Amino acid sequence: EVQLVDSGGGLVQPGRSLRLSCITSGFIFDDYAMHWVRQVPGKGLEWVSGISWNSGSIGYADSVKGRFTISRDNAKNALYLQMNSLRTEDMAMYYCVKDRDKVIWGDGFDFWGQGTMVAVSS
Amino acid sequence: EIVLTQSPATLSLSPGERATLSCRASHSIGIYLAWYQQKPGQAPRLVIFEASNRATGIPTRFSGTGSGTDFTLTISSLEPEDFAVYYCQQRTSPITFGQGTRLEI
Repeated sequence: EVQLVDSGGGLVQPGRSLRLSCITSGFIFDDYAMHWVRQVPGKGLEWVSGISWNSGSIGYADSVKGRFTISRDNAKNALYLQMNSLRTEDMAMYYCVKDRDKVIWGDGFDFWGQGTMVAVSS
Repeated sequence: EIVLTQSPATLSLSPGERATLSCRASHSIGIYLAWYQQKPGQAPRLVIFEASNRATGIPTRFSGTGSGTDFTLTISSLEPEDFAVYYCQQRTSPITFGQGTRLEI
């Protein structure tokens, strides 16, 4: 059974940092690209960042570029998101998601974590 | 950035009826469009990938069509559990989602 367990969210002041983690199981982690997608409660979905299976290709939404860093540890089956210089507009539920296809980036996300909530407020 | 525009914003139907949801891309994306279903308090669930392929475990009443810039998700006969918010998503960097269609009873 595929499982993605997100953690690391919480309440943080503007300008501070937070690191999200996603521990996975039930599939060959280093076969697939992984992504972070966020959702402000009651609003739509926003892709945040993605990383290829070997970390050779990485992408960010313009809204987080230069502040967030995605990484993965294939030995630990883990995905991370380092979030620096947090802003109130970063407040959202953050989901770790798995690419459906081994080759084609972003061709459907077939498994999602339960989400971890990030609140940014003074 | 490719903008995905979904219509209608809200669709009010009854169980047993046919639902037709639209997603229009600002530029051609070939067949690389996915659809997701999200229920309150849950993570999204992949319904359709590559415009017309049902994801694992998705009932046959769900179907997807389209290519280029115009895509449609059809639910042939609505079941009570189908009422949810539906999002489309494309893969050309940066990955983007539509704003969602709320399918309500």
